[in-house]
Amino acid sequence: GQSLEQPSEVTAVEGAIVQINCTYQTSGFYGLSWYQQHDGGAPTFLSYNALDGLEETGRFSSFLSRSDSYGYLLLQELQMKDSASYFCVVGATNKLIFGTGTLLAVQP
Amino acid sequence: KAGVTQTPRYLIKTRGQQVTLSCSPISGHRSVSWYQQTPGQGLQFLFEYFSETQRNKGNFPGRFSGRQFSNSRSEMNVSTLELGDSALYLCASSFDGVGNQPQHFGDGTRLSIL
Repeated sequence: GQSLEQPSEVTAVEGAIVQINCTYQTSGFYGLSWYQQHDGGAPTFLSYNALDGLEETGRFSSFLSRSDSYGYLLLQELQMKDSASYFCVVGATNKLIFGTGTLLAVQP
Repeated sequence: KAGVTQTPRYLIKTRGQQVTLSCSPISGHRSVSWYQQTPGQGLQFLFEYFSETQRNKGNFPGRFSGRQFSNSRSEMNVSTLELGDSALYLCASSFDGVGNQPQHFGDGTRLSIL
């Protein structure tokens, strides 16, 4: 079967660092993506990992361990505008599997 | 480059009716996917079209159908609407498939069933 798990909610303060974890189980896996969605808006692509290791894009980093079927999104120097839902997305053969999303609340 | 365009943005229907939603992908993108988003279920994959053919399908009843035209524009149809079909329907396009390409999402069509 296939499954994907990520926490439903995370709360952090402005300026802090937060890590959103994602574990998955699927056949034909070839990559892990992260998307951000603000309330009422369209999901937007943040990052993609096909190989083990860390990918950094500004304040956001994403990590993948294929052997552990695990990845995470790291957000540094949190800002109020980072309050949104973050989706972990597994890319498998000819399909994408979306997680149910993690609602990040950034507090002042 | 224009983004993904979905029409209409909002729609109100009653039970038993049918509805057609439209999605125009980014120019040059041949893959179009449809998703249903509800507060309790998150983003659920409906189906993907590539070069006018349905390539993948999620676990939705046959009331949900779609098609893609030669210009890559896609439509989604839901027949015999039920209250539970109230949701945000998102369309996403990518160059060549639901794979390692970033999905570019439209703003969605919010469907309300009365």
